[in-house]
Amino acid sequence: DIQMTQSPSSLSASVGDRVTITCRASQSISSYLNWYQQKPGKAPKLLIYAASSLQSGVPSRFSGSGSGTDFTLTISSLQPEDFATYYCQQSYSTPTTFGQGTRLEIK
Amino acid sequence: QVQLVQSGAEVKKPGASVKVSCKASGYTFTSYYMHWVRQAPGQGLEWMGIINPSGGSTSYAQKLQGRVTMTRDTSTSTVYMELSSLRSEDTAVYYCARSHATVVTPGNYYYYMDVWGKGTTVTVSS
Repeated sequence: DIQMTQSPSSLSASVGDRVTITCRASQSISSYLNWYQQKPGKAPKLLIYAASSLQSGVPSRFSGSGSGTDFTLTISSLQPEDFATYYCQQSYSTPTTFGQGTRLEIK
Repeated sequence: QVQLVQSGAEVKKPGASVKVSCKASGYTFTSYYMHWVRQAPGQGLEWMGIINPSGGSTSYAQKLQGRVTMTRDTSTSTVYMELSSLRSEDTAVYYCARSHATVVTPGNYYYYMDVWGKGTTVTVSS
C-alpha cells in the first residue's frame, strides 16, 4: 500500500495568514492526489482533486500543487471558517489511502 | 441536488453484525461507484472498500476481507455495507462517498470522492 505522510500534524495560525500543508507519498503517484477538509462532527469535503484542480464552489484562496511524491495545499489568507482538519488522499492505486490529517487551529 | 442519506446510529454487541445503508438521489445511481470510509473516534480516515452500483462488483480493504460485504439495490438507489464479527475497534463513524472520475487521457481517470453522506455512528460495546 502507498503510505501518505502529512506535515505538520497540527498547526496554529491566525486569520489572514498564509498556510501551507505538505503531503508526501511513499512512491510516485503522478498527480493522483486529492485534498479534503473536515470540520468536527461533519463529513469530509472535497477541496482539490488531481493535485491542483479546485472543486466547484471551493473558494479560490485554496490551491494545490505538486506531482510525483511531494504535494502542498496552500490557503492564501486564512478565514475563520478554515479552521479544520485537512487530509490528503492518493487515488493512484488500490487501496486508496489517506494521510493522517493536519489539524489547523486558531492562534 | 445530489445527496447521500445514510441510516441512523447503531449500537451493537461484540460478535454481532451491522448493516448500514446509503440512499443516493439527484444523479444516475448506476453511473458512479460508491466508497465506504470509516473514522474511529479521534482518528483519521480509513478506506473500507468500493462497489460498482451498476454490476455490483466490489473491492475491499484487505484488513476487512471476510468481514465486510457491500451490496446495492438499484430499484431504490441504495448501497449497503454490512460488517460482521464486530469488535470494539469497529466503533466508528461510517461514511459512504460517491466516486467521481475525470478523464486524464482516454482510458485513464482521476478519481475523487466528491459527495459524502453525513455518516452513521456505529458503537460496539458489551
